[in-house]
Amino acid sequence: AQSVTQPDIHITVSEGASLELRCNYSYGATPYLFWYVQSPGQGLQLLLKYFSGDTLVQGIKGFEAEFKRSQSSFNLRKPSVHWSDAAEYFCAVVDSSYKLIFGSGTRLLVRP
Amino acid sequence: NAGVTQTPKFQVLKTGQSMTLQCAQDMNHEYMSWYRQDPGMGLRLIHYSVGAGITDQGEVPNGYNVSRSTTEDFPLRLLSAAPSQTSVYFCASRGSEGANVLTFGAGSRLTVL
Repeated sequence: AQSVTQPDIHITVSEGASLELRCNYSYGATPYLFWYVQSPGQGLQLLLKYFSGDTLVQGIKGFEAEFKRSQSSFNLRKPSVHWSDAAEYFCAVVDSSYKLIFGSGTRLLVRP
Repeated sequence: NAGVTQTPKFQVLKTGQSMTLQCAQDMNHEYMSWYRQDPGMGLRLIHYSVGAGITDQGEVPNGYNVSRSTTEDFPLRLLSAAPSQTSVYFCASRGSEGANVLTFGAGSRLTVL
């Protein structure tokens, strides 16, 4: 069965520092991959998605992610974190029945 | 557009009570779904629907019922609430052109005592 692993439960970075959130997936074919962000008390907002083509995808709010088939990874990056980026981030993959399967999430804390 | 609207935002129930979480979307989306979010477990799919009159089970369907009489509405029913159903519930929808990009509601926080 398809699955998504986000190995980091919490990550703390200083404002202005770079960020990388890890995501590994399990899927036999070319996956459809997503990153969503959830601010406190809010629903989920799509940051970016990968379906095919260029393995480096750009998203909203200055985020990007790179699909690496050899590592089964889709890590999320941002060169300079802002305090407003503090939130929970979810990686997700579409399974063979076209349902979205989520990872357990990574909570980002930003130090002033 | 309002997008996906969930009501109520907060609800407290006693064990054994029943209630319905409402979900409505105004985007003419065919696909609608319900997830529950629990700490450390991400979002897990409860039920989903690919169109009016069609529903199917997700990963954690036990204790929940759904129906889809119209394209716009997808209510989630708890017939006999249990403390294990304390969670935050999200409704999400997507259109046929959305390529699996879900639009989420703001969530409903349910506490079962």
